[in-house]
Amino acid sequence: GDSVTQMEGPVTLSEEAFLTINCTYTATGYPSLFWYVQYPGEGLQLLLKATKADDKGSNKGFEATYRKETTSFHLEKGSVQVSDSAVYFCALSDNDNAGNMLTFGGGTRLMVKP
Amino acid sequence: EAGVTQSPTHLIKTRGQQATLRCSPISGHTSVYWYQQALGLGLQFLLWYDEGEERNRGNFPPRFSGRQFPNYSSELNVNALELEDSALYLCASKPTGNQPQHFGDGTRLSIL
Repeated sequence: GDSVTQMEGPVTLSEEAFLTINCTYTATGYPSLFWYVQYPGEGLQLLLKATKADDKGSNKGFEATYRKETTSFHLEKGSVQVSDSAVYFCALSDNDNAGNMLTFGGGTRLMVKP
Repeated sequence: EAGVTQSPTHLIKTRGQQATLRCSPISGHTSVYWYQQALGLGLQFLLWYDEGEERNRGNFPPRFSGRQFPNYSSELNVNALELEDSALYLCASKPTGNQPQHFGDGTRLSIL
């Protein structure tokens, strides 16, 4: 079945540091890939998405590129802020299944210190 | 545009009781999904409703059930509550087609 693996946290960075959160996936079809962010006490917010190989999703300074050859979708940001502290989830939606249910990675907690 | 709204925010029950959680999707969204976020277990798909019908369910026992109403809002019912049902239950909605899901803030269910 489908699965998503992302690096375990917590990841602790100083403000303005470079961020990478690794995400790899296994899927039988051609999935769409997503990054969601969860701030404390809140639900998940869609951060960015990519629907086919070599697509780059970007939003709020975050980027991720859909790499089919390495089955990866790593999240990057050039300069993190304290307000980026949250839990980040990588997810896939298998486009071969009609419901587009999401399969999530385990989440990575990011802590940014001033 | 109003987002996905869930109620109640918190719910406290005891073992053996029944819980009902509610979700209102974004206007125009016809599909509703339920996920369980339990400590240490990550996010697990529970149920998918579309056009009033249950279309798929995850690996959960039958005491987890629900329905979708004609206005596309949804209820999740959990019967015979067990301690391990304590979790954040997230509802998501999306329109027809290959579109991303949008999530509510969840209902935190605590079983004493």
